[in-house]
Amino acid sequence: AQSVTQLGSHVSVSEGALVLLRCNYSSSVPPYLFWYVQYPNQGLQLLLKYTSAATLVKGINGFEAEFKKSETSFHLTKPSAHMSDAAEYFCAVSETGTASKLTFGTGTRLQVTL
Amino acid sequence: EAQVTQNPRYLITVTGKKLTVTCSQNMNHEYMSWYRQDPGLGLRQIYYSMNVEVTDKGDVPEGYKVSRKEKRNFPLILESPSPNQTSLYFCASSFDRDSNYNEQFFGPGTRLTVL
Repeated sequence: AQSVTQLGSHVSVSEGALVLLRCNYSSSVPPYLFWYVQYPNQGLQLLLKYTSAATLVKGINGFEAEFKKSETSFHLTKPSAHMSDAAEYFCAVSETGTASKLTFGTGTRLQVTL
Repeated sequence: EAQVTQNPRYLITVTGKKLTVTCSQNMNHEYMSWYRQDPGLGLRQIYYSMNVEVTDKGDVPEGYKVSRKEKRNFPLILESPSPNQTSLYFCASSFDRDSNYNEQFFGPGTRLTVL
């Protein structure tokens, strides 16, 4: 069975600081991993995904994530936070080899302060 | 424009009054799914459908029904809503194939309050 753990339900950073959102997964097969972002009062939007190609994945809005099999992690980073990055971020895993049947983490709300 | 639409966006109802939340996608996706989002719990899958007339339970199916008579539509039915079904609901769709370009597309959400 697959599962996702996101450490820290709330993360606060200063504008310009490094963003690091943590995600650890559990999967019985090589997983597909996703990060989604949810801006206030909106649906979820795909940030990036890992599908067994390059372990360092670049996404939209300057975000990237690195798949580390030995640590079962897929942490999301951005070198310099912007006020517009304030949102809720969800990590998700799929064992089916497709984007269907996703299991989501509980989410991390990112706050960006001046 | 490729999109997933949901209606209504907001709904306040009373316990026991049947309701339907519609979901439609225009991308010819095989796979469709319903999630509910609750604070601290993330998104939990209610039901999903791999194709027309093929539906299956997700992680929290109790109190919900779905149907998939057409490829583009996947309505969520609450026969007798209860206050614990007050939540934010999302419909999503994707191709069900192994592809590096595959992703789930989400609707804008339906905020349901059951009094």
